[in-house]
Amino acid sequence: AQTVTQSQPEMSVQEAETVTLSCTYDTSESDYYLFWYKQPPSRQMILVIRQEAYKQQNATENRFSVNFQKAAKSFSLKISDSQLGDAAMYFCAYRSRISGGGADGLTFGKGTHLIIQP
Amino acid sequence: GAGVSQSPRYKVAKRGQDVALRCDPISGHVSLFWYQQALGQGPEFLTYFQNEAQLDKSGLPSDRFFAERPEGSVSTLKIQRTQQEDSAVYLCASSAMRGGLYEQYFGPGTRLTVT
Repeated sequence: AQTVTQSQPEMSVQEAETVTLSCTYDTSESDYYLFWYKQPPSRQMILVIRQEAYKQQNATENRFSVNFQKAAKSFSLKISDSQLGDAAMYFCAYRSRISGGGADGLTFGKGTHLIIQP
Repeated sequence: GAGVSQSPRYKVAKRGQDVALRCDPISGHVSLFWYQQALGQGPEFLTYFQNEAQLDKSGLPSDRFFAERPEGSVSTLKIQRTQQEDSAVYLCASSAMRGGLYEQYFGPGTRLTVT
């Protein structure tokens, strides 16, 4: 079974600064998908960014980018020019390429609480 | 609709009661997922539907948990004889297709408290 580890329960950053959230995962599969989701307080979880494991190029979405290191099984999220609206829980998630046996669902880490200091 | 909706948003149940949680996915989405999110944890997969077929229920923690999606749209998660350990937020998500990079759109969740 796959596992996802987020070792930073909480991170704090000054507004307009850059912050990196860490994520590592364990899998025996060679092809899979990785995601970062954001869960604002009392609001719905939304997708921030996604990455296919077979693509070496790191995904970017505006101020959000990832550093995907497949050999190290690491998938960190970098947020540039942090804004107050970025404050939320951030979850790293894994999805297998295969189906069935729980693989259709996402496997989440425990999350990192991101605080933005004005 | 504009997004995934869930009802009720909050539910308090006495231990031993049965509860039913409803999920309305985004119209046309074939895939529907249920997750359980305990306090301070990430969501954990419970079950998956493709249209009306329940293709995966490997995450359901016990036979007290039952989910259905009879017409391939609205889904209900039922918990019989609730226990305190069932207290959690239950999230529903829907997706246009199965697997891959297809985004799962999440609902606001139902917070279940068992007293």
